[in-house]
Amino acid sequence: DGGITQSPKYLFRKEGQNVTLSCEQNLNHDAMYWYRQDPGQGLRLIYYSQIVNDFQKGDIAEGYSVSREKKESFPLTVTSAQKNPTAFYLCASRAGSSYNSPLHFGNGTRLTVT
Amino acid sequence: QKEVEQDPGPLSVPEGAIVSLNCTYSNSAFQYFMWYRQYSRKGPELLMYTYSSGNKEDGRFTAQVDKSSKYISLFIRDSQPSDSATYLCAMSGLDTNAGKSTFGDGTTLTVKP
Repeated sequence: DGGITQSPKYLFRKEGQNVTLSCEQNLNHDAMYWYRQDPGQGLRLIYYSQIVNDFQKGDIAEGYSVSREKKESFPLTVTSAQKNPTAFYLCASRAGSSYNSPLHFGNGTRLTVT
Repeated sequence: QKEVEQDPGPLSVPEGAIVSLNCTYSNSAFQYFMWYRQYSRKGPELLMYTYSSGNKEDGRFTAQVDKSSKYISLFIRDSQPSDSATYLCAMSGLDTNAGKSTFGDGTTLTVKP
């Protein structure tokens, strides 16, 4: 079955440590996205990538970094510079990069930093 | 002010009720409108996808778009306990860079048996 796989489902880290969240898709989609979801705040865009080896900052990119070395993979690193990293992180993809195809989401990674 | 405002909820209804979920928006360039359902601790799942004004029906779900009023709705008929989830509206259009979608904050629905 085609889909988006995010791992791990739950992640716990100490403050000051960098952590990398995995996102893999086998939908052959060109564009991939990272969103952060906090209670009562909806989805906020962190980074997105329309093609391999290219990515752009979203609305809340500070304290995060990404890479896109393969079409299937778009890992997100939460760095120690991110002030409030505890959140639910969602990876998404869409066919092409146009506004007229819907996003498909993975099942998220819940990150807790103490 | 946010580009997309969604009725905040939470909403609690008895099984079998008709549910209406609503969003308003301010960006007249939005042309594609989506509704996602999100169960607890899961990613959003696409429910309905519509283009411009009009209605679209899929089983017990009807999506309605009124571009003149900048208002969209999702109706759920004969609601079931399995419909209990958070519902997110989302929109995209010509001027949304790289096909980014703008999301509402979500409405949490509970259907009581």
